[in-house]
Amino acid sequence: NAGVTQTPKFQVLKTGQSMTLQCAQDMNHEYMSWYRQDPGMGLRLIHYSVGAGITDQGEVPNGYNVSRSTTEDFPLRLLSAAPSQTSVYFCASSSSYETQYFGPGTRLLVL
Amino acid sequence: AQSVTQPDIHITVSEGASLELRCNYSYGATPYLFWYVQSPGQGLQLLLKYFSGDTLVQGIKGFEAEFKRSQSSFNLRKPSVHWSDAAEYFCAVGPFGNEKLTFGTGTRLTIIP
Repeated sequence: NAGVTQTPKFQVLKTGQSMTLQCAQDMNHEYMSWYRQDPGMGLRLIHYSVGAGITDQGEVPNGYNVSRSTTEDFPLRLLSAAPSQTSVYFCASSSSYETQYFGPGTRLLVL
Repeated sequence: AQSVTQPDIHITVSEGASLELRCNYSYGATPYLFWYVQSPGQGLQLLLKYFSGDTLVQGIKGFEAEFKRSQSSFNLRKPSVHWSDAAEYFCAVGPFGNEKLTFGTGTRLTIIP
């Protein structure tokens, strides 16, 4: 099992550009989530999904879109990047009663 | 709304000394509680979790945590720290499904020889 994989590892964007952060898991987990980590603020939930076709907003959803067409994949889209979206992004997956497994993260710099 | 408070931003401990990291939570239902560790530039690794039952839970790397409902606390302890324990530690609370954890702001642990 590869677990939770994220691509790219690092990305530099200019303000206004769009991009998709990829997340995939091979554990057949029904739950998947996206968090951002900023210094002194811990991890904050952006969006989450409880199954294919079902997504919902977390604490900081503005500026981000998600979709879940398959159990395995949960991409995070930035439609028009802003410097405030400079952060480290973590994807996670889990099943009921089970641990959330985290991916290695994507470092995003928006200039 | 759920929340987690880790009152200590940074703790310095001598190698071999005992450690306690504090975590207080606010949650409207039965809390599911977690401690994660993050080494610099790395992802998060689960140390331990509490769902129900025995309020003292054992985790990996010699860590343990005690759930105290009356104090809304879930403090992490280790009897003797090692230099490799230097990292950032996060406490988190979530619902049954774990799909939406709320994290504390983290405690950075420094180990001195």
